[in-house]
Amino acid sequence: GAVVSQHPSRVICKSGTSVKIECRSLDFQATTMFWYRQFPKQSLMLMATSNEGSKATYEQGVEKDKFLINHASLTLSTLTVTSAHPEDSSFYICSARVPIWDNSPLHFGNGTRLTVT
Amino acid sequence: EDQVTQSPEALRLQEGESSSLNCSYTVSGLRGLFWYRQDPGKGPEFLFTLYSAGEEKEKERLKATLTKKESFLHITAPKPEDSATYLCAVQDYGQNFVFGPGTRLSVLP
Repeated sequence: GAVVSQHPSRVICKSGTSVKIECRSLDFQATTMFWYRQFPKQSLMLMATSNEGSKATYEQGVEKDKFLINHASLTLSTLTVTSAHPEDSSFYICSARVPIWDNSPLHFGNGTRLTVT
Repeated sequence: EDQVTQSPEALRLQEGESSSLNCSYTVSGLRGLFWYRQDPGKGPEFLFTLYSAGEEKEKERLKATLTKKESFLHITAPKPEDSATYLCAVQDYGQNFVFGPGTRLSVLP
């Protein structure tokens, strides 16, 4: 149980274009999902918290106009990287918790490797 | 501010050579401490949750323990397939998760 699916696993795009990444909770409903970014050999950096039916909460230093988050249903959150630039190239990972109890673990998708050329 | 550090940064073991990974933390109030395994190019895979000092959890060759200031992940007789990055994270009473930088484990045949 507690499977999180992320798509696509890899994407290459040209500078200036937009890319959408999907994150789905397959066997549970997630009112909250989390988007992380990971640089090589570094740990996870929380970018934003996605809330179903309301606006996302962004961490300090994360541009909300560049990283658009939509959480339209209890099983789907999307991250759109707008006007992508090479410095946006990174590994993006989403996660969610089964909302049964407050200290349940985060379950992660398999990540999306974004390369901006 | 919650902080998590992990040591060593990298560890190379021979197959069968047992060892331990350390996770030290400072947190305003610990709701839970979590261990994850991450393979290259993949998302972290949940291993254990520990909630209070003295608690232990086991899964195959892995055993996690918790004190008030740190957690250890003991690996007994590791195999090459145990090679991965092991991440530790704490959750505080504000529901925030803070991840450590990880320990890259290589188990050589």
